Amino acid sequence: EAGVAQSPRYKIIEKRQSVAFWCNPISGHATLYWYQQILGQGPKLLIQFQNNGVVDDSQLPKDRFSAERLKGVDSTLKIQPAKLEDSAVYLCASSRTWGNTEAFFGQGTRLTVV
Amino acid sequence: AQRVTQPEKLLSVFKGAPVELKCNYSYSGSPELFWYVQYSRQRLQLLLRHISRESIKGFTADLNKGETSFHLKKPFAQEEDSAMYYCALLSGNTPLVFGKGTRLSVIA
Repeated sequence: EAGVAQSPRYKIIEKRQSVAFWCNPISGHATLYWYQQILGQGPKLLIQFQNNGVVDDSQLPKDRFSAERLKGVDSTLKIQPAKLEDSAVYLCASSRTWGNTEAFFGQGTRLTVV
Repeated sequence: AQRVTQPEKLLSVFKGAPVELKCNYSYSGSPELFWYVQYSRQRLQLLLRHISRESIKGFTADLNKGETSFHLKKPFAQEEDSAMYYCALLSGNTPLVFGKGTRLSVIA
């Protein structure tokens, strides 16, 4: 099966600019996650969708981050405005359903804020 | 709140030596534990999960509820095992929580 697709792979922006990331999960996967991975740390969950509904966004900085999952398939994550500390790899993952099922990860988008 | 601790940032072993990557967790209920691996220039992928009780690429991990640990072990390290390893915990209806990871370097 095709894997989780993310774009772009790399992005460099200046602070206070906006940026958007796109994720296409594996077909048929109901659950979609966005993780933030800062250099030297493990992935930290930003938001979890079940179909097109938000399950958990408790760690999403909602003053600047937003995410949506249109029609329960593709998802976009936006940062507006970006800060230097947002420099990280943004990982998208999907799984068949919620709970004890394997999560499949995309290659990630490496964001550098200068 | 659930937490995963991987005390070693870097672990270097010689080829053929035994490997143990440590993982401790804090959670009061019955968690699901996983090991994920990221090889150079590849995406994060599942290595094994405790409920499967299987050996993948020679690696095994046993959940010790008394010590709240889920250490990853392999009797004889290979060069191709060099990678970042992340321990992760899933509890109830909450999503995966990852440790900070351990970089395993196998020296020829």
